Amino acid sequence: AQTVTQSQPEMSVQEAETVTLSCTYDTSENNYYLFWYKQPPSRQMILVIRQEAYKQQNATENRFSVNFQKAAKSFSLKISDSQLGDTAMYFCASGAGSYQLTFGKGTKLSVIP
Amino acid sequence: DAGVTQSPTHLIKTRGQQVTLRCSPKSGHDTVSWYQQALGQGPQFIFQYYEEEERQRGNFPDRFSGHQFPNYSSELNVNALLLGDSALYLCASSLVEGGPQHFGDGTRLSIL
Repeated sequence: AQTVTQSQPEMSVQEAETVTLSCTYDTSENNYYLFWYKQPPSRQMILVIRQEAYKQQNATENRFSVNFQKAAKSFSLKISDSQLGDTAMYFCASGAGSYQLTFGKGTKLSVIP
Repeated sequence: DAGVTQSPTHLIKTRGQQVTLRCSPKSGHDTVSWYQQALGQGPQFIFQYYEEEERQRGNFPDRFSGHQFPNYSSELNVNALLLGDSALYLCASSLVEGGPQHFGDGTRLSIL
């Protein structure tokens, strides 16, 4: 069984500043993946970044990067140079292989002009 | 290259009715997963289809059933609708050997 916990229901950040969203997880799988998805009001779930658990190097994707702490089962998302278009719900998720994803409850991020 | 497409966009039903939602996967993908997202919550896994068979199932009652066609498209059927079935239903496609799941825009189902 897998569980994903996002402890920040809402966050806000000034445009151009940096913000970090937190996520902790628990899994019995040895080989798993971690994801951050973004869901704007348009409701489509968009993949932001993916981390393979067996890789120690933290994943980066342009302004988005993660801090993956495997022993602590922590997987935080850092957004640099925040833009108005980053305003959305952000979901942390875990999954093994191509099987089901387990999602957290989400963090609502507002970028303030 | 078309992404995941779902239809209809929005649907209104009454309690006790039956509904069918449809999903076409991203080109090249062979696996389809369905998720239910209640208002203010994260998506919850319903089931996954591969090679026209249910490959994995979440904690949902038998009222929820599905099908996958030879062209990899999929349907989600819900019988005897309850008020609690009101939600956004998301379809995601992927490759069975791994890789991220790509989501469609979802179908908003409202039960009156």
